[in-house]
Amino acid sequence: DAGITQSPRHKVTETGTPVTLRCHQTENHRYMYWYRQDPGHGLRLIHYSYGVKDTDKGEVSDGYSVSRSKTEDFLLTLESATSSQTSVYFCAIKDVYNEQFFGPGTRLTVL
Amino acid sequence: GESVGLHLPTLSVQEGDNSIINCAYSNSASDYFIWYKQESGKGPQFIIDIRSNMDKRQGQRVTVLLNKTVKHLSLQIAATQPGDSAVYFCAENGVSGGYNKLIFGAGTRLAVHP
Repeated sequence: DAGITQSPRHKVTETGTPVTLRCHQTENHRYMYWYRQDPGHGLRLIHYSYGVKDTDKGEVSDGYSVSRSKTEDFLLTLESATSSQTSVYFCAIKDVYNEQFFGPGTRLTVL
Repeated sequence: GESVGLHLPTLSVQEGDNSIINCAYSNSASDYFIWYKQESGKGPQFIIDIRSNMDKRQGQRVTVLLNKTVKHLSLQIAATQPGDSAVYFCAENGVSGGYNKLIFGAGTRLAVHP
């Protein structure tokens, strides 16, 4: 599992509330990613990070922000959750061989 | 567990048979391809990868074939076992939106029957 954990694993929240998901890795990887996975779609990249304080947008970044103040933690924040953000969120790292490994996922439901 | 997809194409095979899962990719400039396996309630798990300078790569019970002419990738699983039941999807590494990234297919569900 490349030492990746995600928290929480499940969350139910209401429209308009802020939500923060945490990804934690133990192997000092430089690159970290946040994806969402929805029925009928492949994994879609939200944001990624290529180092501490270095982040960039992916293809579905609207409504999301990220922060990386430490190598091991990559936070994804939904500033004001909407029902369209109900999804399963996966964090991933990229190792030195350019292989991406994924965390166990967080199921988020926005009511 | 987390739902991967409600309407994915499904491949049903008998235990012990060989399975072939196909994937079409979009970008002829993609230089690296990966197959992932995702079991219910879990994150995607790396299975095997192949670089664009290769046509075939073998792992333990799995083989990936790359046909760059028609932009097609396949995953062959030998002697399929019940534990192989999962959703499988391919990913291509290419440039999109100005940055290098993995582009994932929607996946194929493999159902192995005893």
